[in-house]
Amino acid sequence: EIVLTQSPGTLSLSPGERATLSCRASQRVNSNYLAWYQQKPGQAPSLLIYGASNRATGIPDRFSGSGSGTDFTLTISRLEPEDSAVYYCQHYGSSLTFGGGTKVEIK
Amino acid sequence: QVQLQESGPGLVKPSQTLSLTCTVSGDSISSHFYYWSWIRQHPGQGLEWIGYIYHTGSTFYKPSLKSRVTMSLDTSKTQFSLTLSSVTAADTALYYCARLTYSSPYYYFDFWGQGILVTVSS
Repeated sequence: EIVLTQSPGTLSLSPGERATLSCRASQRVNSNYLAWYQQKPGQAPSLLIYGASNRATGIPDRFSGSGSGTDFTLTISRLEPEDSAVYYCQHYGSSLTFGGGTKVEIK
Repeated sequence: QVQLQESGPGLVKPSQTLSLTCTVSGDSISSHFYYWSWIRQHPGQGLEWIGYIYHTGSTFYKPSLKSRVTMSLDTSKTQFSLTLSSVTAADTALYYCARLTYSSPYYYFDFWGQGILVTVSS
């Protein structure tokens, strides 16, 4: 079973700053099957990025995804207050799995 | 717009069976592009995939839960269901239904229900 490890656990940044979130897989994965989700308090997760680097419909271009192999990154280029949330990476494979999440706090 | 809505009891006694239903509106549950999924989130924790069911009735479950999980599909009612047997307090969680979409060559969860909190307690 592939394990996805996200870091850091929490990121505390100011509006306008850049956030870099990491997702590391325990073995090489197909980047087409790597997605990122945003979960705000009291809400269901929502799709941000699919195929490692493709923004979902309606997602602002300040969100971008990159990576391949075992290392993937979600970047929020200019943080806004509404970006305060937990972010999860997820891989579709023989056993679908989620990372543990990174909480982004806006100062 | 596709919508998913979970329903079922919010309280289940230990050792009994948890049963939830997800009603899908706004799209066909019979499309071969979709895998109808259950995901749960323990209080204050991350997301755990439970399994999914395809329109053919084929199922795929998380290995560690496989012995206790059953999923089914009712295309006439555009519903799919989850049963989890022999529950314990460790099964207390917010349960989500979600649509896993295959849009070649990608897979992703694009629609989610609001979630239903299920507490296991006597």
